[in-house]
Amino acid sequence: GAGVSQSPSNKVTEKGKDVELRCDPISGHTALYWYRQSLGQGLEFLIYFQGNSAPDKSGLPSDRFSAERTGGSVSTLTIQRTQQEDSAVYLCASSLEGRYGYTFGSGTRLTVV
Amino acid sequence: AQSVTQLDSHVSVSEGTPVLLRCNYSSSYSPSLFWYVQHPNKGLQLLLKYTSAATLVKGINGFEAEFKKSETSFHLTKPSAHMSDAAEYFCVVTETAGGTSYGKLTFGQGTILTVHP
Repeated sequence: GAGVSQSPSNKVTEKGKDVELRCDPISGHTALYWYRQSLGQGLEFLIYFQGNSAPDKSGLPSDRFSAERTGGSVSTLTIQRTQQEDSAVYLCASSLEGRYGYTFGSGTRLTVV
Repeated sequence: AQSVTQLDSHVSVSEGTPVLLRCNYSSSYSPSLFWYVQHPNKGLQLLLKYTSAATLVKGINGFEAEFKKSETSFHLTKPSAHMSDAAEYFCVVTETAGGTSYGKLTFGQGTILTVHP
């Protein structure tokens, strides 16, 4: 597609349940990022995939968070045993080369009740 | 390590007057710098980027920014504000090597721009 696609756009889940968030990057983009945007917290880096290199997971806040990228394309962010503090907008971005800029998806708004 | 500081959390201007949103950065290597805009309940849109070419960068919607290495600044300006410019603006830094940006993006805390009629 022409842009970065994220699904679902909204997700309401009960505390303790697992959730999966999906990101379809722009075709051919080798770099893929996940960020979290919370009120009062700004944009927080979670994880970065670049080609076939090992991902940079340094931003994942706990071992309840994990992400994978299959075939160098689609990525799934999984949050296990969700907590209320996980409520946020989760943004995905992709890039061919950084100097051309990074394209962000519209995000998934996660609400944990 | 890299970091970004946006010096104002809120800026308020009148329509038709100049806009200045300030950004200072810290980077161990040659930085690439970006400004993104986020309108309410919308995604992040790239306004402009600096990646070691011309230090004065022109972006969309009349915005521009100047990279000043000596001051470690990348302030965003626009000569005349429009009501549609009201949004949140983010300054972003990443590292550059060989003309290619790589690694994670580090965001500033954002500046909310309000435009009064």
